[in-house]
Amino acid sequence: ETGVTQSPTHLIKTRGQQVTLRCSSQSGHNTVSWYQQALGQGPQFIFQYYREEENGRGNFPPRFSGLQFPNYSSELNVNALELDDSALYLCASRPGQGALEQFFGPGTRLTVL
Amino acid sequence: GEDVEQSLFLSVREGDSSVINCTYTDSSSTYLYWYKQEPGAGLQLLTYIFSNMDMKQDQRLTVLLNKKDKHLSLRIADTQTGDSAIYFCAESEGSGGGADGLTFGKGTHLIIQP
Repeated sequence: ETGVTQSPTHLIKTRGQQVTLRCSSQSGHNTVSWYQQALGQGPQFIFQYYREEENGRGNFPPRFSGLQFPNYSSELNVNALELDDSALYLCASRPGQGALEQFFGPGTRLTVL
Repeated sequence: GEDVEQSLFLSVREGDSSVINCTYTDSSSTYLYWYKQEPGAGLQLLTYIFSNMDMKQDQRLTVLLNKKDKHLSLRIADTQTGDSAIYFCAESEGSGGGADGLTFGKGTHLIIQP
């Protein structure tokens, strides 16, 4: 148990819909990152939030957006879902931008039909 | 762009040593990591090494880094059934991934034979 929780655990959506995934970071962790892990692949970095601001982004289109709240919990929003968005979405938190260890949640499995 | 390569499967007998290999392309990689992923669980950081180090040992785990060849390995001594998992190699320029995040390989499935 890392203290990072994600909801929901599983989700099924259809192409074109929008989805919101949630992450509750470990207490005191002000930095949250989101990763997409397609089946059989390693996680790919989507973006990072630090103190409610996005301060880093991987190679993902603008329809992937996020929020971080004052309590440092976070949301990942994906608009106009595509079949290729089917994946495990992982969030990871750490106590600061300089901290080496990221604590990963168990992920949300998104299936797009 | 950055790339991290790993072989997909490794099968070892219980009690033997496992050696998982990784190569990376980004010469500005500063931190290199090994993560473990068990079914239904998130990623767990096993160990990391700074690029100015050659070796790091932590109990049953030994990490070797050849910076010239951009080659990283993880040795697990006395492999047990509980070590069965997917092992990911990852690299970053900043600590903890920084604002650019971690770049992961595709993972090596470690299979333990009784």
